Amino acid sequence: AQSVTQLDSQVPVFEEAPVELRCNYSSSVSVYLFWYVQYPNQGLQLLLKYLSGSTLVKGINGFEAEFNKSQTSFHLRKPSVHISDTAEYFCAVTRRGFQGAQKLVFGQGTRLTINP
Amino acid sequence: GAVVSQHPSRVICKSGTSVKIECRSLDFQATTMFWYRQFPKQSLMLMATSNEGSKATYEQGVEKDKFLINHASLTLSTLTVTSAHPEDSSFYICSASGRAGSSYEQYFGPGTRLTVT
Repeated sequence: AQSVTQLDSQVPVFEEAPVELRCNYSSSVSVYLFWYVQYPNQGLQLLLKYLSGSTLVKGINGFEAEFNKSQTSFHLRKPSVHISDTAEYFCAVTRRGFQGAQKLVFGQGTRLTINP
Repeated sequence: GAVVSQHPSRVICKSGTSVKIECRSLDFQATTMFWYRQFPKQSLMLMATSNEGSKATYEQGVEKDKFLINHASLTLSTLTVTSAHPEDSSFYICSASGRAGSSYEQYFGPGTRLTVT
């Protein structure tokens, strides 16, 4: 089974400051890793994903994440945040190497609040 | 591409009634659809996985007779909350996966806010 831990439930940051949202996972099999963003009363939007290859992946809205296999981490970063980045962020994993879609296991979420 | 819609976006119903939520993949064929529920300020919890033309697989603790899932076509899955009670009030989100892009990726609908009074 897989599990995901997002180490911070809330992260307040000033506008234009850098931010890192932490995510650690546990799995006995290889996984794909995802970061999603959720704005109030909306569904989830994919920010980025790690499937294979380069461990640094770039996503939408200036976000990037680095896969660290030895530390089983997939932290999300942005060098300069904007007010519009205020949202809930979810890290998720799914098993890789299987035919068809596999269920996603989500972390608890991190509420990112950008202050002016 | 890979757009998923849900209908309705919000619904209020009385305790004891049933409510149906639709999830549609608009521009691809969804061989698998997932249903999640999300309580306020919490993460998404998978309720069930449905593959087109077969019975849904429910997660442990989810009552299959209460949350009826039908995936009759490659573009439509429905979740019916039967005999709804106030504790069923939640945000229900579906996702779809299939022949758009890669099979591992899920595309999420905008969610349905259910309030049971």
